[in-house]
Amino acid sequence: SQTIHQWPATLVQPVGSPLSLECTVEGTSNPNLYWYRQAAGRGLQLLFYSVGIGQISSEVPQNLSASRPQDRQFILSSKKLLLSDSGFYLCAYKTPETGLMSTEAFFGQGTRLTVV
Amino acid sequence: DQQVKQNSPSLSVQEGRISILNCDYTNSMFDYFLWYKKYPAEGPTFLISISSIKDKNEDGRFTVFLNKSAKHLSLHIVPSQPGDSAVYFCAASAVAQGGSEKLVFGKGTKLTVNP
Repeated sequence: SQTIHQWPATLVQPVGSPLSLECTVEGTSNPNLYWYRQAAGRGLQLLFYSVGIGQISSEVPQNLSASRPQDRQFILSSKKLLLSDSGFYLCAYKTPETGLMSTEAFFGQGTRLTVV
Repeated sequence: DQQVKQNSPSLSVQEGRISILNCDYTNSMFDYFLWYKKYPAEGPTFLISISSIKDKNEDGRFTVFLNKSAKHLSLHIVPSQPGDSAVYFCAASAVAQGGSEKLVFGKGTKLTVNP
Protein backbone atom coordinates (compact mmCIF):
# COMPACT_ATOMS: atom_id res chain seq x y z
CA SER A 1 0.00 0.00 0.00
CA GLN A 2 1.01 3.58 -0.56
CA THR A 3 1.99 5.77 2.35
CA ILE A 4 3.58 9.14 2.88
CA HIS A 5 5.74 10.09 5.81
CA GLN A 6 6.60 13.61 6.83
CA TRP A 7 8.72 14.73 9.75
CA PRO A 8 9.11 16.31 12.17
CA ALA A 9 5.54 16.95 13.27
CA THR A 10 6.42 20.16 15.07
CA LEU A 11 9.46 22.38 14.98
CA VAL A 12 10.44 25.60 16.73
CA GLN A 13 13.40 27.35 15.18
CA PRO A 14 15.04 30.73 15.80
CA VAL A 15 15.16 33.38 13.11
CA GLY A 16 18.23 32.93 10.93
CA SER A 17 18.60 29.22 11.57
CA PRO A 18 18.51 26.62 8.76
CA LEU A 19 15.58 24.34 8.01
CA SER A 20 15.23 20.85 6.63
CA LEU A 21 11.90 19.07 6.38
CA GLU A 22 11.79 15.61 4.91
CA CYS A 23 9.08 13.71 3.12
CA THR A 24 9.19 10.15 1.83
CA VAL A 25 6.66 8.12 -0.11
CA GLU A 26 6.32 4.36 -0.11
CA GLY A 27 4.46 1.97 -2.34
CA THR A 28 4.66 3.83 -5.64
CA SER A 29 7.30 4.78 -8.17
CA ASN A 30 7.93 8.08 -9.90
CA PRO A 31 5.27 10.01 -8.00
CA ASN A 32 4.63 13.70 -8.48
CA LEU A 33 5.67 15.37 -5.24
CA TYR A 34 4.47 18.64 -3.76
CA TRP A 35 5.21 20.98 -0.88
CA TYR A 36 2.35 23.15 0.36
CA ARG A 37 2.16 25.70 3.14
CA GLN A 38 -0.93 26.60 5.09
CA ALA A 39 -0.60 30.01 6.70
CA ALA A 40 -3.30 31.95 8.50
CA GLY A 41 -5.80 33.31 6.00
CA ARG A 42 -3.88 31.93 3.02
CA GLY A 43 -5.33 28.48 2.49
CA LEU A 44 -3.05 25.88 0.96
CA GLN A 45 -0.34 27.56 -1.04
CA LEU A 46 1.67 25.45 -3.47
CA LEU A 47 5.39 26.05 -2.91
CA PHE A 48 7.18 23.45 -5.02
CA TYR A 49 6.38 20.47 -7.17
CA SER A 50 8.53 17.79 -8.75
CA VAL A 51 7.95 15.26 -11.51
CA GLY A 52 11.25 13.43 -11.10
CA ILE A 53 14.65 13.27 -9.44
CA GLY A 54 16.35 16.64 -9.57
CA GLN A 55 13.36 18.28 -11.27
CA ILE A 56 11.93 21.04 -9.10
CA SER A 57 9.46 23.73 -10.07
CA SER A 58 8.94 26.71 -7.80
CA GLU A 59 5.57 28.41 -7.59
CA VAL A 60 6.36 31.49 -5.54
CA PRO A 61 9.54 33.42 -4.83
CA GLN A 62 10.53 32.86 -1.24
CA ASN A 63 13.16 32.05 1.29
CA LEU A 64 12.77 28.33 0.75
CA SER A 65 14.15 25.70 -1.62
CA ALA A 66 13.31 22.10 -2.40
CA SER A 67 15.30 19.10 -3.54
CA ARG A 68 14.52 15.59 -4.69
CA PRO A 69 17.64 13.51 -4.22
CA GLN A 70 15.79 10.22 -4.66
CA ASP A 71 12.64 9.16 -6.49
CA ARG A 72 10.49 9.06 -3.37
CA GLN A 73 12.21 11.65 -1.21
CA PHE A 74 11.36 15.34 -1.18
CA ILE A 75 13.15 17.85 1.05
CA LEU A 76 12.18 21.40 1.91
CA SER A 77 15.04 23.62 3.06
CA SER A 78 16.03 27.09 4.05
CA LYS A 79 19.44 28.54 4.80
CA LYS A 80 18.08 31.27 7.07
CA LEU A 81 14.55 31.21 8.41
CA LEU A 82 12.40 34.33 8.62
CA LEU A 83 9.53 34.98 10.99
CA SER A 84 7.21 34.88 7.97
CA ASP A 85 8.22 31.28 7.28
CA SER A 86 6.07 30.12 10.19
CA GLY A 87 3.20 27.94 9.09
CA PHE A 88 1.93 24.44 8.57
CA TYR A 89 3.91 22.64 5.86
CA LEU A 90 2.40 19.75 3.99
CA CYS A 91 3.98 17.26 1.64
CA ALA A 92 1.80 15.51 -0.91
CA TYR A 93 2.14 13.02 -3.72
CA LYS A 94 0.18 11.94 -6.77
CA THR A 95 0.68 8.72 -8.62
CA PRO A 96 1.68 9.14 -12.25
CA GLU A 97 -1.23 9.79 -14.58
CA THR A 98 -2.49 6.99 -16.77
CA GLY A 99 -4.18 8.07 -19.94
CA LEU A 100 -6.77 10.72 -19.34
CA MET A 101 -7.53 9.69 -15.80
CA SER A 102 -6.52 12.16 -13.17
CA THR A 103 -5.95 11.20 -9.57
CA GLU A 104 -6.14 12.82 -6.21
CA ALA A 105 -3.15 13.91 -4.18
CA PHE A 106 -2.42 12.31 -0.83
CA PHE A 107 -1.06 14.41 1.97
CA GLY A 108 1.27 13.79 4.85
CA GLN A 109 0.36 14.76 8.38
CA GLY A 110 2.14 18.08 8.15
CA THR A 111 4.84 19.93 10.06
CA ARG A 112 3.97 22.86 12.29
CA LEU A 113 6.90 25.26 12.01
CA THR A 114 7.19 28.17 14.40
CA VAL A 115 9.99 30.63 13.82
CA VAL A 116 10.79 32.67 16.92
CA ASP B 1 -3.58 35.78 -8.36
CA GLN B 2 -6.10 33.50 -6.70
CA GLN B 3 -7.14 31.01 -9.37
CA VAL B 4 -9.40 29.05 -7.04
CA LYS B 5 -11.66 31.06 -4.79
CA GLN B 6 -13.72 30.07 -1.82
CA ASN B 7 -15.41 33.31 -0.87
CA SER B 8 -17.04 32.08 2.31
CA PRO B 9 -14.48 31.60 5.06
CA SER B 10 -17.02 29.93 7.30
CA LEU B 11 -20.42 28.24 7.24
CA SER B 12 -22.63 27.11 10.09
CA VAL B 13 -25.53 24.67 9.66
CA GLN B 14 -27.78 22.57 11.85
CA GLU B 15 -27.39 18.84 12.07
CA GLY B 16 -29.55 17.08 9.51
CA ARG B 17 -29.72 20.05 7.16
CA ILE B 18 -27.88 20.51 3.91
CA SER B 19 -24.42 22.11 3.77
CA ILE B 20 -23.48 23.82 0.54
CA LEU B 21 -19.89 24.88 0.03
CA ASN B 22 -19.05 26.95 -3.01
CA CYS B 23 -15.96 27.38 -5.12
CA ASP B 24 -15.15 29.50 -8.16
CA TYR B 25 -12.19 29.26 -10.49
CA THR B 26 -10.71 31.48 -13.15
CA ASN B 27 -8.44 29.23 -15.20
CA SER B 28 -10.34 27.53 -18.01
CA MET B 29 -7.48 25.02 -18.35
CA PHE B 30 -8.46 23.28 -15.12
CA ASP B 31 -9.81 19.87 -16.02
CA TYR B 32 -10.26 18.12 -12.70
CA PHE B 33 -11.69 19.37 -9.44
CA LEU B 34 -11.43 17.97 -5.96
CA TRP B 35 -12.69 18.60 -2.46
CA TYR B 36 -10.56 17.95 0.58
CA LYS B 37 -11.48 17.90 4.23
CA LYS B 38 -9.03 19.02 6.86
CA TYR B 39 -8.96 18.81 10.63
CA PRO B 40 -6.60 21.00 12.68
CA ALA B 41 -2.97 19.84 12.77
CA GLU B 42 -3.62 17.13 10.21
CA GLY B 43 -3.06 16.81 6.50
CA PRO B 44 -6.06 17.22 4.19
CA THR B 45 -7.90 14.06 3.22
CA PHE B 46 -9.49 13.55 -0.15
CA LEU B 47 -13.27 13.65 -0.17
CA ILE B 48 -14.69 13.67 -3.68
CA SER B 49 -13.73 14.77 -7.18
CA ILE B 50 -15.22 15.55 -10.55
CA SER B 51 -13.85 15.60 -14.05
CA SER B 52 -14.54 18.58 -16.28
CA ILE B 53 -16.50 16.34 -18.64
CA LYS B 54 -19.14 15.75 -15.98
CA ASP B 55 -21.52 18.04 -14.16
CA LYS B 56 -22.28 15.92 -11.11
CA ASN B 57 -20.64 13.26 -9.00
CA GLU B 58 -22.24 11.66 -5.98
CA ASP B 59 -20.73 9.60 -3.20
CA GLY B 60 -23.01 8.84 -0.29
CA ARG B 61 -23.91 12.04 1.52
CA PHE B 62 -21.54 14.07 -0.65
CA THR B 63 -22.35 15.45 -4.09
CA VAL B 64 -20.21 17.76 -6.16
CA PHE B 65 -21.75 19.86 -8.92
CA LEU B 66 -19.76 21.51 -11.69
CA ASN B 67 -20.96 24.40 -13.84
CA LYS B 68 -18.23 24.92 -16.41
CA SER B 69 -19.82 27.89 -18.11
CA ALA B 70 -19.94 29.72 -14.80
CA LYS B 71 -16.58 28.29 -13.64
CA HIS B 72 -18.27 27.27 -10.43
CA LEU B 73 -18.49 24.13 -8.39
CA SER B 74 -20.19 23.27 -5.17
CA LEU B 75 -20.12 20.54 -2.57
CA HIS B 76 -23.40 19.43 -1.03
CA ILE B 77 -23.46 17.46 2.19
CA VAL B 78 -26.81 16.04 3.15
CA PRO B 79 -27.68 15.31 5.83
CA SER B 80 -24.96 17.21 7.66
CA GLN B 81 -23.48 15.60 10.76
CA PRO B 82 -21.44 17.13 13.60
CA GLY B 83 -18.48 14.98 12.49
CA ASP B 84 -18.48 16.89 9.20
CA SER B 85 -17.22 19.96 11.04
CA ALA B 86 -13.86 20.75 9.46
CA VAL B 87 -12.21 23.03 6.93
CA TYR B 88 -13.11 22.13 3.37
CA PHE B 89 -10.72 22.97 0.56
CA CYS B 90 -11.63 23.16 -3.08
CA ALA B 91 -8.83 22.26 -5.48
CA ALA B 92 -8.37 22.36 -9.23
CA SER B 93 -5.92 20.49 -11.35
CA ALA B 94 -4.20 21.46 -14.59
CA VAL B 95 -1.23 20.26 -16.56
CA ALA B 96 1.71 22.52 -15.86
CA GLN B 97 4.87 23.12 -17.82
CA GLY B 98 6.80 19.96 -18.45
CA GLY B 99 3.66 17.84 -18.40
CA SER B 100 3.32 17.63 -14.66
CA GLU B 101 0.02 18.15 -12.97
CA LYS B 102 -0.38 20.55 -10.10
CA LEU B 103 -3.20 21.13 -7.67
CA VAL B 104 -4.23 24.65 -6.84
CA PHE B 105 -6.26 25.10 -3.67
CA GLY B 106 -8.69 27.68 -2.45
CA LYS B 107 -8.41 29.28 0.96
CA GLY B 108 -10.89 26.92 2.53
CA THR B 109 -14.28 27.16 4.19
CA LYS B 110 -14.69 26.23 7.82
CA LEU B 111 -17.87 24.23 8.24
CA THR B 112 -19.49 23.93 11.65
CA VAL B 113 -22.40 21.53 12.05
CA ASN B 114 -24.33 22.24 15.22
CA PRO B 115 -26.09 19.39 17.04
